[in-house]
Amino acid sequence: AQKITQTQPGMFVQEKEAVTLDCTYDTSDPSYGLFWYKQPSSGEMIFLIYQGSYDQQNATEGRYSLNFQKARKSANLVISASQLGDSAMYFCAMRELQAGTALIFGKGTTLSVSS
Amino acid sequence: GAVVSQHPSRVICKSGTSVKIECRSLDFQATTMFWYRQFPKKSLMLMATSNEGSKATYEQGVEKDKFLINHASLTLSTLTVTSAHPEDSSFYICSASGHTDTQYFGPGTRLTVL
Repeated sequence: AQKITQTQPGMFVQEKEAVTLDCTYDTSDPSYGLFWYKQPSSGEMIFLIYQGSYDQQNATEGRYSLNFQKARKSANLVISASQLGDSAMYFCAMRELQAGTALIFGKGTTLSVSS
Repeated sequence: GAVVSQHPSRVICKSGTSVKIECRSLDFQATTMFWYRQFPKKSLMLMATSNEGSKATYEQGVEKDKFLINHASLTLSTLTVTSAHPEDSSFYICSASGHTDTQYFGPGTRLTVL
């Protein structure tokens, strides 16, 4: 079974609107971390936001917020006030404590922002 | 902070030659470095994990004799693709982590084997 599932191959949004990118995960490890990365066409992987399994509050970083629903095992990324520069591939990833520091990536979602 | 560099950014080589890719953490000490491979429009595939001063741990299906990894210092890891073939053409990305959980990625190296 896939550990990280991103069900949206592509998403389209207009500038200034908010968009939610879905991510569900599967783990039996009680201690884990969830990450979102952005990969523009240049190829670099840019760290956006992190949520620990024991964190009580949803993580926020500027226009990015992580909607963490532990019981549903979901960690959706919300981008508010989309900008043209947000167009990129977005990856959700998980690190399980028992597995060490390796990240498990989802298949990614391509976000296209139009004016 | 947390900058990771990779060199070269692009390399084209002939089949049968070896290519070395460097990954450096510029402003932090990376106790662990990771090497990933990514095919076009696909996700990242972990190849190996390396800790400074010890042998790399390779993922299943990754040939350790073909993809040589050295993590000689807390700021440098190298990946050498030995006897490269066209099927090794890919985008190779390294990442590094220090004392936190977060991995910071390099800009990637696009390898083309002719």
